[in-house]
Amino acid sequence: NAGVTQTPKFQVLKTGQSMTLQCAQDMNHEYMSWYRQDPGMGLRLIHYSVGAGITDQGEVPNGYNVSRSTTEDFPLRLLSAAPSQTSVYFCASSYVPEGSIQYFGAGTRLSVL
Amino acid sequence: QQQVKQSPQSLIVQKGGIPIINCAYENTAFDYFPWYQQFPGKGPALLIAIRPDVSEKKEGRFTISFNKSAKQFSLHIMDSQPGDSATYFCAASSNTGNQFYFGTGTSLTVIP
Repeated sequence: NAGVTQTPKFQVLKTGQSMTLQCAQDMNHEYMSWYRQDPGMGLRLIHYSVGAGITDQGEVPNGYNVSRSTTEDFPLRLLSAAPSQTSVYFCASSYVPEGSIQYFGAGTRLSVL
Repeated sequence: QQQVKQSPQSLIVQKGGIPIINCAYENTAFDYFPWYQQFPGKGPALLIAIRPDVSEKKEGRFTISFNKSAKQFSLHIMDSQPGDSATYFCAASSNTGNQFYFGTGTSLTVIP
């Protein structure tokens, strides 16, 4: 049972480049979400999804796109990377949004030069 | 605006001590309050959670105290061990929304 799998683990981008952070879960969870973690800021919600075909914005959505074509996958796309997007990104999943355990991936450490 | 305010930012205790981490919130719609533990290079993992219908919950050496009227909750770690050294996050969510709100985290160091 792999849980929540994120790829890549590390990535370096140049300003203006685009890329996709991958997230997959094998627990048949309906709810998936993306967070960024910055020093002193805690975990901030970027986008979330309550099921396949349904996505919504979180607290800090600007510069990021998501889609949810299957229950298992929830990729995060950076359209035009900026140094302000240098962060550690975590994907999480759970059965329902509220009151259930959120399972986190191991994270993707992204540097934008 | 920080929905959940967490303090202190860092904490150093001796082995066997009882570190206490505090969180406060304003949104009275919040009804689920989990604590997550994160080790370096890893994702956060659920440690313990509480709902506002109880004032205290214990799981092993970890205890959550909840004060609904003050809109505060705290994590106590009994008989702390060096292996408890990690970053701890409090969080909150409501059954009318689809979002979790996390505190800014507390870095705990337990000295042997």
